Amino acid sequence: AQKVTQAQTEISVVEKEDVTLDCVYETRDTTYYLFWYKQPPSGELVFLIRRNSFDEQNEISGRYSWNFQKSTSSFNFTITASQVVDSAVYFCAREGNSGGYQKVTFGTGTKLQVIP
Amino acid sequence: NAGVTQTPKFQVLKTGQSMTLQCAQDMNHNSMYWYRQDPGMGLRLIYYSASEGTTDKGEVPNGYNVSRLNKREFSLRLESAAPSQTSVYFCASNPTGSNQPQHFGDGTRLSIL
Repeated sequence: AQKVTQAQTEISVVEKEDVTLDCVYETRDTTYYLFWYKQPPSGELVFLIRRNSFDEQNEISGRYSWNFQKSTSSFNFTITASQVVDSAVYFCAREGNSGGYQKVTFGTGTKLQVIP
Repeated sequence: NAGVTQTPKFQVLKTGQSMTLQCAQDMNHNSMYWYRQDPGMGLRLIYYSASEGTTDKGEVPNGYNVSRLNKREFSLRLESAAPSQTSVYFCASNPTGSNQPQHFGDGTRLSIL
């Protein structure tokens, strides 16, 4: 199985600190997509970002930024100046074609707690 | 905009009871999915449906059946619930072949005693 590994199970930071959530993936595909989802305490899953394997440009969206490095099969997520509302479980996922359908493999998630 | 709607939100069953979890989407998506989320294991795919009338097994299909009733609806059935099926179940959908992100429902928290 082509795994997605989020080695950090839980992280605690003090508000306004920067924090990076790591994601390492395995893939045999040439073309694939990477995602980050946020699951706040209310339980719903919120899409944050999608990157395709041909686009290694880093992306910034407000306080969020993503660093995609194909050479190390990593797609890390940084929150700058963290806020209490960032407290959530964050999932990294990889999507590739498997037997005719787009198989999405999720990591096990990183629980982020931002302490006021 | 409703997006993906799951019912019920919570359910408690006794071992051996049957139950159908309902999912409906109003985004005209072709593909629909059922996942289960367990502590420390992320989301695991149970079944998926690439289009109306087709369904296929995912990673953990044992103990479940699905029905793609029409383009909007994709139900998950537990014929004889077991405690190991205690989990949070998520339904998701996206357009087929577009590699677009999946849109998730709010989840169904299912406890089996």
